[in-house]
Amino acid sequence: QQQVKQSPQSLIVQKGGISIINCAYENTAFDYFPWYQQFPGKGPALLIAIRPDVSEKKEGRFTISFNKSAKQFSLHIMDSQPGDSATYFCAASRAGGGNKLTFGTGTQLKVEL
Amino acid sequence: KAGVTQTPRYLIKTRGQQVTLSCSPISGHRSVSWYQQTPGQGLQFLFEYFSETQRNKGNFPGRFSGRQFSNSRSEMNVSTLELGDSALYLCASSAATNRAGGYTFGSGTRLTVV
Repeated sequence: QQQVKQSPQSLIVQKGGISIINCAYENTAFDYFPWYQQFPGKGPALLIAIRPDVSEKKEGRFTISFNKSAKQFSLHIMDSQPGDSATYFCAASRAGGGNKLTFGTGTQLKVEL
Repeated sequence: KAGVTQTPRYLIKTRGQQVTLSCSPISGHRSVSWYQQTPGQGLQFLFEYFSETQRNKGNFPGRFSGRQFSNSRSEMNVSTLELGDSALYLCASSAATNRAGGYTFGSGTRLTVV
């Protein structure tokens, strides 16, 4: 059962544009939503995370928007750069679940010059 | 500060064999989790260890097992390998139960079963 749905599967954005990746979850017990960035040959790296008590969190060019009622959250990458080309994963975890993360299926982002 | 170290980086095994993968977490991190990454299934949680105790387990068959030592280093073992076990196996460490700190992943062990 896929508990976190991620879209799109792949995304091509022009340099300087905005990249938007969306995720939806089913389990209302989830209360922590991180985003990870993965480059080829490397493990995922934590990018930014949010809890459902806030609707938006911004760190540099990266912003998470969170809609608790719709059970959706999204990652916005402003002023996208070629160096942002990577695979992005949304994830979710719940209190009492230890550090277990349920991941989305990933979005392969390519930023073109 | 050294990151999460996984050994070996690459491994080729024959169907039916068993394999042991190793993970050294960041110094001071007591939680170690393992994930399987495949193109078809994405990142799937295997198990989590904290202070030598398995705290969480994913939906994998009993052929997949793990353990954690007193120095927080962890190993995972897969017995009776199947072709479908070919994957990137990722280890991640965390300071404790503070999810806000997030995981630090290693670069993984690429297992190929032939």
